[in-house]
Amino acid sequence: EAQVTQNPRYLITVTGKKLTVTCSQNMNHEYMSWYRQDPGLGLRQIYYSMNVEVTDKGDVPEGYKVSRKEKRNFPLILESPSPNQTSLYFCASSLSGDISNQPQHFGDGTRLSIL
Amino acid sequence: AQSVAQPEDQVNVAEGNPLTVKCTYSVSGNPYLFWYVQYPNRGLQFLLKYITGDNLVKGSYGFEAEFNKSQTSFHLKKPSALVSDSALYFCAVRDLYNTDKLIFGTGTRLQVFP
Repeated sequence: EAQVTQNPRYLITVTGKKLTVTCSQNMNHEYMSWYRQDPGLGLRQIYYSMNVEVTDKGDVPEGYKVSRKEKRNFPLILESPSPNQTSLYFCASSLSGDISNQPQHFGDGTRLSIL
Repeated sequence: AQSVAQPEDQVNVAEGNPLTVKCTYSVSGNPYLFWYVQYPNRGLQFLLKYITGDNLVKGSYGFEAEFNKSQTSFHLKKPSALVSDSALYFCAVRDLYNTDKLIFGTGTRLQVFP
């Protein structure tokens, strides 16, 4: 089954404790992206990757890192989490080039609470 | 700046009645517009898109959307709502400068009552 898998689904942690949210897709998609979803703000893009070893900042990259060492994986790293990063996070992927032709596929989300 | 606006935080409708979820856009040139749905504890799912051509586009689960260039709108519609349609709906537009990127609206929660 074609899917985007995120782990963990839920995490409560404390300020400053490094964490990683993993994202993996099995569709051989080139494009992957991370969003955060906050009430009243919709989804905002954090980082994206056009292909292996190619990553770029989205609209709200501060406090986050990503890597794309393999095509299927795109982990989101919070080196020193802070309470304002408490949010619902989504990973998404698409074939590449232009989403007009291929819709984005989303994972089921990771709810992070930073105390 | 490119953007989409969803003016209603929540829409309530009785089962069997028609529903409309509103979206307006602000984009230079020809917009590529999308609707996504998010069910509880799930990621967003693609419903439909407008690229060019017929102003009325049909999508999944019986939904359709009407593109109106003069009103810069792309409202989502369904002739007869189901309780199972209750979810969070997002309108989005393709970024003009990054064609892999979607710019999302703030979302509208649809509640269909039995």
